[in-house]
Amino acid sequence: EDQVTQSPEALRLQEGESSSLNCSYTVSGLRGLFWYRQDPGKGPEFLFTLYSAGEEKEKERLKATLTKKESFLHITAPKPEDSATYLCAVHTGRRALTFGSGTRLQVQP
Amino acid sequence: EAGVAQSPRYKIIEKRQSVAFWCNPISGHATLYWYQQILGQGPKLLIQFQNNGVVDDSQLPKDRFSAERLKGVDSTLKIQPAKLEDSAVYLCASSWWDIDEQYFGPGTRLTVT
Repeated sequence: EDQVTQSPEALRLQEGESSSLNCSYTVSGLRGLFWYRQDPGKGPEFLFTLYSAGEEKEKERLKATLTKKESFLHITAPKPEDSATYLCAVHTGRRALTFGSGTRLQVQP
Repeated sequence: EAGVAQSPRYKIIEKRQSVAFWCNPISGHATLYWYQQILGQGPKLLIQFQNNGVVDDSQLPKDRFSAERLKGVDSTLKIQPAKLEDSAVYLCASSWWDIDEQYFGPGTRLTVT
């Protein structure tokens, strides 16, 4: 069975304090790894898709990387508006998306 | 481009009652998904449609949940009868094709008392 584990469960940072979120996965036949951001009371918002080990993508202060067993979401010099829950999900041949439980990020000014 | 629309946004029912949720996907998106998100967890796929057909409903509790996609566009998800453990946010998402990024609606928060 496909498994996605995110760590840490919660992370509190000071504004400007860079850090990384981890997503480890155990799947058969990875077709893509997705990162989403979810604000309270809203649906997840798409951030990145990574398809193969070694791939990297960037968007503003966020950078996602992928290895054969895990993905990292690096946040550089975060701002309070980056506070949200970050969800990782895998797409395999058996199921469209299997999500992890997310990392709740709080960035304090 | 208009996003995924869902209604209602909130619903409170008593256990053993029935409830229905509606979703209108982004225009042109062939694939539609329903997810259940329990507080503190990631979304869990309930059912995936490709146009009119069901692609994956392996995690749908078929004794009480049903879903249909009308003419390959709008979709409804029904629960009958509801249980306390069905309290969750029900999210609808759509994509061009099943490997593409999914776009989510705002969700319907269901409380079963």
